[in-house]
Amino acid sequence: EADIYQTPRYLVIGTGKKITLECSQTMGHDKMYWYQQDPGMELHLIHYSYGVNSTEKGDLSSESTVSRIRTEHFPLTLESARPSHTSQYLCASSDRWNTEAFFGQGTRLTVV
Amino acid sequence: KQEVTQIPAALSVPEGENLVLNCSFTDSAIYNLQWFRQDPGKGLTSLLLIQSSQREQTSGRLNASLDKSSGRSTLYIAASQPGDSATYLCAVQVGYGQNFVFGPGTRLSVLP
Repeated sequence: EADIYQTPRYLVIGTGKKITLECSQTMGHDKMYWYQQDPGMELHLIHYSYGVNSTEKGDLSSESTVSRIRTEHFPLTLESARPSHTSQYLCASSDRWNTEAFFGQGTRLTVV
Repeated sequence: KQEVTQIPAALSVPEGENLVLNCSFTDSAIYNLQWFRQDPGKGLTSLLLIQSSQREQTSGRLNASLDKSSGRSTLYIAASQPGDSATYLCAVQVGYGQNFVFGPGTRLSVLP
């Protein structure tokens, strides 16, 4: 069973606000990922990390930033939210050998 | 660049039918392939992982096969149930330590 958690599950916020989406995993996985997914559309990788102090940009350009200060924690931050940021954000993790990937339940963000 | 496609894009079947979902990838040099299930508005649930040296994996009513030389994987669902209704995604890992490449998914509806 996957032990990866995202909070909040749903967030409605006004334009210009700063937000942080939380992602934590208790599996000791080195690699973590953030994906963005619009309803009914494909997953797009926006950030990933190989481990502590490692952050990389994904295939889809994003105005968000990430940090990896602890192995278990990989938060995503939007400094100034805009309606174009409205989407579902999915966090995932896998071990250092990149075998099975596990996903959190997602955060559905709406910027009004 | 690795590309993953899934056919069909959507499928509607009556309860009890056996069905096959297809996943194709352009570069046969993959590290592993993983099948996921996604319910509307939720995260992804891992169903089966097939390592590149394996030809198939089974879990309950699910069986996934892998043919690297032809760049294909199939997910077989036996005796389908309404609870199987979801979007099914396949993802390939192109190499050790590399990121996953996702297909667009097959949206399955099993009618009671």
